[in-house]
Amino acid sequence: DAGVIQSPRHEVTEMGQEVTLRCKPISGHDYLFWYRQTMMRGLELLIYFNNNVPIDDSGMPEDRFSAKMPNASFSTLKIQPSEPRDSAVYFCASSLRRGGLNIQYFGAGTRLSVL
Amino acid sequence: GEDVEQSLFLSVREGDSSVINCTYTDSSSTYLYWYKQEPGAGLQLLTYIFSNMDMKQDQRLTVLLNKKDKHLSLRIADTQTGDSAIYFCAERDDKIIFGKGTRLHILP
Repeated sequence: DAGVIQSPRHEVTEMGQEVTLRCKPISGHDYLFWYRQTMMRGLELLIYFNNNVPIDDSGMPEDRFSAKMPNASFSTLKIQPSEPRDSAVYFCASSLRRGGLNIQYFGAGTRLSVL
Repeated sequence: GEDVEQSLFLSVREGDSSVINCTYTDSSSTYLYWYKQEPGAGLQLLTYIFSNMDMKQDQRLTVLLNKKDKHLSLRIADTQTGDSAIYFCAERDDKIIFGKGTRLHILP
C-alpha cells in the first residue's frame, strides 16, 4: 500500500480564498483523522471519522472549517474563507482499530501558507 | 480533562542514553504510544505498550509505564544523530490524544 496520500503538498493562497485539502487513507482502515500542526500550538486534532461518519469535530476552530468523508477512500478539509492565522501544516492520518490498539498512519502533510 | 504533558526540549550527547518523559490523564487507555516525527514528515509510530505491562524493550528502545503515577517514559540507548527528531507521547483508544512533543537534539 502507498500509505496515506495527501494533496497538495504545499498550498499558497491569499486571504479570503477557499482552500481544499485532500486525503486518501490506507485501504481497509476505519478511522480517519485531520490534524493541524504549528510551532505555537503543537499538534491539534481537528476532527475524526469512524466508518466515514464524523465522530468528534470539537477541534474544528470555527465555522470556516469543514470536513467531509463521502466514502471510505477519500476525505477533504475545506477552509472558506482562509485567513493568515490558518497557516500551518495539516496532516491526515488513518488507522484500523483492533480492540484497544489504534495505530495511526500519517500522510506527509500539506503545508498551507495564507498571505 | 484530556491532557498529555511532555517537556519540550532535550539535548543529549551522541552515544549517551536519552530519556523522554510523559504524563497522561486517561487511565482507561488500553495502549500508550510513542511516535517520532522527522523534519518535513508526518508522525510515525515508534513503539507502544499495553497498559498492563510495566516495561517493553525493543532493541535500543525501552518503554517504562507507571500506571499509578500515570507516567510513561521512552529511553533510547546509545543515541545516534539519526535519532534527532520530535517524539510524541499519545494515549486513548479512539480519539488519540498527543502531547506537544519533545524535540531531541543530539550534541556531537
